[in-house]
Amino acid sequence: EVQLLESGGDLVQPGGSLRLSCAASGFTFSTYTMSWVRQAPGRGLEWVSAIGGSGGSTYYADSVKGRFTISRDNSKNTLYLQMNSLRAEDTAVYYCAKGVRPTQSYFDSWGQGALVTVSS
Amino acid sequence: EIVLTQSPATLSLSPGERATLSCRASQSVSSSLAWHQQKPGQAPRLLIYDASNRATGIPARFSGSGSGTDFTLTISSLETEDFAVYYCQQRSNWPLTFGGGTKVEIK
Repeated sequence: EVQLLESGGDLVQPGGSLRLSCAASGFTFSTYTMSWVRQAPGRGLEWVSAIGGSGGSTYYADSVKGRFTISRDNSKNTLYLQMNSLRAEDTAVYYCAKGVRPTQSYFDSWGQGALVTVSS
Repeated sequence: EIVLTQSPATLSLSPGERATLSCRASQSVSSSLAWHQQKPGQAPRLLIYDASNRATGIPARFSGSGSGTDFTLTISSLETEDFAVYYCQQRSNWPLTFGGGTKVEIK
């Protein structure tokens, strides 16, 4: 059974930093492109970032480019999202998500979400 | 960036009725489109990928069609558990994008 477990969500001040983690199990993690998707309170889904299986390819939404960094440790089956220069508009539940096939980013498995609140 | 526009924003229907949801892309995405369902307090669930392929475990009452810029999700006969928000998502180009969602509510 595929499991994705996010951690690291917290309350942080504007301008601050936070790192989210996503522990994966139940599939061959190193072969899958993985993504982060967020959802602001009462709003729709917004894709944030993706990383290829080897970690060599990364992609970002314009809204986070230059502030967020996605990475992975395939030896630990863990996905990360380093978030810097946080803004109020980054407040959201952050989901890690796995594609239905290794390089197909249709998300068939999602974590339970990690709440990030940016507020003073 | 490819913009996905979903319509209507809200669909009010009764159990047993047919639901037809639309997703229009600002440029062609070929067949690289998925549909997700989300219920309150839950993570989304993949229903359809590659425009018309049902994901594992998805009932046959859900079907997808379309290609290029115009796509449709059809629920042939609404069950009570189908009242939720539905999002389309394209993977044709980076950045990946989602539509704004259609809420299917009980009339």
